[in-house]
Amino acid sequence: NAGVTQTPKFQVLKTGQSMTLQCAQDMNHNSMYWYRQDPGMGLRLIYYSASEGTTDKGEVPNGYNVSRLNKREFSLRLESAAPSQTSVYFCASSEVFSPQTQYFGPGTRLLVL
Amino acid sequence: AQKITQTQPGMFVQEKEAVTLDCTYDTSDPSYGLFWYKQPSSGEMIFLIYQGSYDQQNATEGRYSLNFQKARKSANLVISASQLGDSAMYFCAMSPWGQGGKLIFGQGTELSVKP
Repeated sequence: NAGVTQTPKFQVLKTGQSMTLQCAQDMNHNSMYWYRQDPGMGLRLIYYSASEGTTDKGEVPNGYNVSRLNKREFSLRLESAAPSQTSVYFCASSEVFSPQTQYFGPGTRLLVL
Repeated sequence: AQKITQTQPGMFVQEKEAVTLDCTYDTSDPSYGLFWYKQPSSGEMIFLIYQGSYDQQNATEGRYSLNFQKARKSANLVISASQLGDSAMYFCAMSPWGQGGKLIFGQGTELSVKP
């Protein structure tokens, strides 16, 4: 039972390059989330998927797209990376879309040069 | 506006002593959940404790307790008998029912436990 897994752990991109961050959970959770954490700050919600087949914008969605591939997997895509997207990205999941515990993946450190 | 405020950027505590980390929140939603997460230097986010806004009693989980004062809109985390392994960043977060499962985080408090 791995919980929430994320790949890659670390990535360096050049400005303008694209990449996809992968997230998978094995807890049979319905809801999944993508957050970013900038230095000295708490996490901010980028996008979420309340249930399979739905996605919606969070607080800071600009520059990102998401895909809920199936119940287990939720990917985050940067189409044209910018230095302002240098951050640590966390994926999380919860059983349903309501105020309840979210379980986080280990994070992906992204550096955009 | 929905907001979480953690006013202590950093704190020190002596090993085996208790420590309180402050958290205040702002929401107009009558129903919400409050959470505390721990982030050690390794970077992962570890869930510690949850309090529902209609829960009558303060939540406890082992050495962690949440001092919930609804009228003051505060949800302070109390760690009893601090251990060296408690040194980490601690984040308070809120999830208003009107916003489903979305979490709003504070900026965090860095706790250092001294031997």
